Amino acid sequence: EADIYQTPRYLVIGTGKKITLECSQTMGHDKMYWYQQDPGMELHLIHYSYGVNSTEKGDLSSESTVSRIRTEHFPLTLESARPSHTSQYLCASSETNRQNEKLFFGSGTQLSVL
Amino acid sequence: GQQVMQIPQYQHVQEGEDFTTYCNSSTTLSNIQWYKQRPGGHPVFLIQLVKSGEVKKQKRLTFQFGEAKKNSSLHITATQTTDVGTYFCAGGPYGGATNKLIFGTGTLLAVQP
Repeated sequence: EADIYQTPRYLVIGTGKKITLECSQTMGHDKMYWYQQDPGMELHLIHYSYGVNSTEKGDLSSESTVSRIRTEHFPLTLESARPSHTSQYLCASSETNRQNEKLFFGSGTQLSVL
Repeated sequence: GQQVMQIPQYQHVQEGEDFTTYCNSSTTLSNIQWYKQRPGGHPVFLIQLVKSGEVKKQKRLTFQFGEAKKNSSLHITATQTTDVGTYFCAGGPYGGATNKLIFGTGTLLAVQP
């Protein structure tokens, strides 16, 4: 249904590596988000963007950074991965219309840091 | 900070039985949304409620938004195995940035055939 894509689907890396999680959407949505979710737990907002060149930190402190140079692209970067970063990362987008604020989620990236 | 709690955390039912999950916010909400996440999958939007006391139905699913706009419920009539998954409510706070939803703790539903 949703045209929002995340890559890679799974990633296993060693401590200290720099990684970038990709997220792209083809729906023309201005708003995009990154959530972090541990198994069986709730979603925590770590970053969001309301448009190009707009990025804000979410409610959960994260050592990751994001950028929004193009409307359709919202990558998340970890400069130096640690085992505590092991989690699922979900990207989402939503329409600008305030009457319909539903989130469209990507399939997620399951990150394991050894 | 604002919290959104859901109960129960886990529910196991026989196919055909009814199921209800409850969502409670520590503060008044501008709207409440419900999402379903299948095992190994990503959350999928089900519905959004905006008005105080609002009730919406989708086939076997009934959603309610409390009069005080601080709680909500999802009721499934005659569960089926396809209902398996985690159900999350997500509240939109008043005064916060648009669409900074606060997700609830989720209810995992298991349905035994």
